[in-house]
Amino acid sequence: EPEVTQTPSHQVTQMGQEVILRCVPISNHLYFYWYRQILGQKVEFLVSFYNNEISEKSEIFDDQFSVERPDGSNFTLKIRSTKLEDSAMYFCASSEELAGTYNEQFFGPGTRLTVL
Amino acid sequence: AQSVTQLDSHVSVSEGTPVLLRCNYSSSYSPSLFWYVQHPNKGLQLLLKYTSAATLVKGINGFEAEFKKSETSFHLTKPSAHMSDAAEYFCVVSDLGGGSYIPTFGRGTSLIVHP
Repeated sequence: EPEVTQTPSHQVTQMGQEVILRCVPISNHLYFYWYRQILGQKVEFLVSFYNNEISEKSEIFDDQFSVERPDGSNFTLKIRSTKLEDSAMYFCASSEELAGTYNEQFFGPGTRLTVL
Repeated sequence: AQSVTQLDSHVSVSEGTPVLLRCNYSSSYSPSLFWYVQHPNKGLQLLLKYTSAATLVKGINGFEAEFKKSETSFHLTKPSAHMSDAAEYFCVVSDLGGGSYIPTFGRGTSLIVHP
């Protein structure tokens, strides 16, 4: 069964460093998403991506964040200068169509980012 | 605006007994509601979804949920818990309010199943 994969499973970095979190969505999916979950808090939407551009983003997704689909399979989230408060579990998701009222998103296992 | 409240952070049951995970929502529009499950080191998996069709929704692994508009609830139930049901469960609401589909997640309920 096709699934979304994410690498690495755990990333440790120093404050101020750049990190890139990688995701491989399901191959025939067209919409891609990033979410994060700070320990003990809710899963929060960050950004959605379609047709090589951002469709929607939350207030969390500021200038420190960027997303890219560098080739036909990978979808990346870059944090330019990490802060302590960026420590969280980051989930990638993909869907065949625009997720929302009727369409299912398929989630990856997550990357745990720890900023020291 | 939309919001979702999962009333219990932890629920503990014995194997073979019923499961009830509670979820209340708030929505300005006609919402769609979802339950996701997350097993350790796995991604979130869709259990079931309500999309304005039947109010009683059946999902995978014997779970079901009932949409009650008058109570703004979407509680998840299962008649008999299995050890494999032990996981984190998330209730999610999405209402396309203002043209945005951004879903809102609950804080999650950890289901503990005792032998």
